Amino acid sequence: DAGITQSPRHKVTETGTPVTLRCHQTENHRYMYWYRQDPGHGLRLIHYSYGVKDTDKGEVSDGYSVSRSKTEDFLLTLESATSSQTSVYFCAISDSSDYEQYFGPGTRLTVT
Amino acid sequence: DAKTTQPPSMDCAEGRAANLPCNHSTISGNEYVYWYRQIHSQGPQYIIHGLKNNETNEMASLIITEDRKSSTLILPHATLRDTAVYYCIVTRGVLVQGAQKLVFGQGTRLTINP
Repeated sequence: DAGITQSPRHKVTETGTPVTLRCHQTENHRYMYWYRQDPGHGLRLIHYSYGVKDTDKGEVSDGYSVSRSKTEDFLLTLESATSSQTSVYFCAISDSSDYEQYFGPGTRLTVT
Repeated sequence: DAKTTQPPSMDCAEGRAANLPCNHSTISGNEYVYWYRQIHSQGPQYIIHGLKNNETNEMASLIITEDRKSSTLILPHATLRDTAVYYCIVTRGVLVQGAQKLVFGQGTRLTINP
């Protein structure tokens, strides 16, 4: 299995509070991605990174920001969490546009 | 990216071959067919991908029709641990600097019965 971890694995937070999710890889892969998964919507891309300090938006990026200061870490921040951001968040990594993506175990976030 | 159509659910007996179909009639010439699966509460897992030729690895076989408008994922000897949602994704979706765009639909919920 690819060396990819996510922390925390579960979090409950209140509306309006900031939240940061961490994705950590030990594979030295270039690309990292954040997805969210909601019932009826499948997985949707939030943000992705193609190198240190190089990031771009996905299809559902509103309300989220990301940072990548090291190859191995990709952080997803909810500046002010809302109930609509209650979801399961998955991080993925890949080494090439033609190669498979490896997914982390997910973080279940509940915003009350 | 081409749209895919998969049956919402399928059943298969343990030990038998599971054949999961996927229609992608609008696929373009440079788009790959990827298959992932997601076992309950876990992250998606890559299974196999192909462009034109049939492919086989230790997990499964991928059969792509000659016109590339449909494909079949074959799990040759299904076990209970193969119970999962299977996603067929057609993409050549390259984002900035070669990052890959995967668009997940609803997939097929495969249940392996003892």
